[in-house]
Amino acid sequence: EVQLVESGGALVQPGGSLSLSCAASAFTFTNYWMHWVRQAPGKGLVWVSRINSDGSSANYADSVKGRFTISRDNAKNTLHLQMNSLRAEDTAVYYCARGRTPDRALDIWGQGTRVTVSS
Amino acid sequence: DIQMTQSPSSLSSSVGDRVTITCRASQNISNYLNWYQQKPGKAPKLLIYTASSLQSGVPSGFSGSGSGTDFTLTISSLQPEDFATYYCQQSYTTPRTFGQGTKVEIK
Repeated sequence: EVQLVESGGALVQPGGSLSLSCAASAFTFTNYWMHWVRQAPGKGLVWVSRINSDGSSANYADSVKGRFTISRDNAKNTLHLQMNSLRAEDTAVYYCARGRTPDRALDIWGQGTRVTVSS
Repeated sequence: DIQMTQSPSSLSSSVGDRVTITCRASQNISNYLNWYQQKPGKAPKLLIYTASSLQSGVPSGFSGSGSGTDFTLTISSLQPEDFATYYCQQSYTTPRTFGQGTKVEIK
């Protein structure tokens, strides 16, 4: 079964760091761009970042630029999100999602991992 | 950034009703518009891609239309399992912005 499984969510203090991972299975990981999308409690979906198939290019939402870094390990079929200088407004469930080509839809989503930034 | 505006923000309907949700982009996005369904505590699920193409496995009661800046998601006959929140998303450019969501509730 095609699947994405996130991990790494936790309670972290403001200003702290956290690393999220997303393990992909049952598809050719290197064929796809990958994305992170987050959802604050009771709020809508917000796109965070994406990375191309070989990891050479990435884009970020303005709200996380300079603080978050997306990366991937194609040998281990794993996507990462390194989050630094965390703020209370980064509190959310973080989803990884597969970006399909050529239509660019997000066709497979993980179950999400919860990040809480609080003192 | 491209702003995506959905309407209404919420609606109440009965099983069997026809439901229409609209999504407007702040600039031309061609047909790079996707629709997702999200149920409480669950990940979003892709319903419609490139404005009008039905994702595999999605019931035929869902349909999408539009191009340019104005788009529509239609549920032809609302089923109990369709009560959820629906989001549009543009995939024309980054950042890949979402609409604010439309919550479909039981009347």
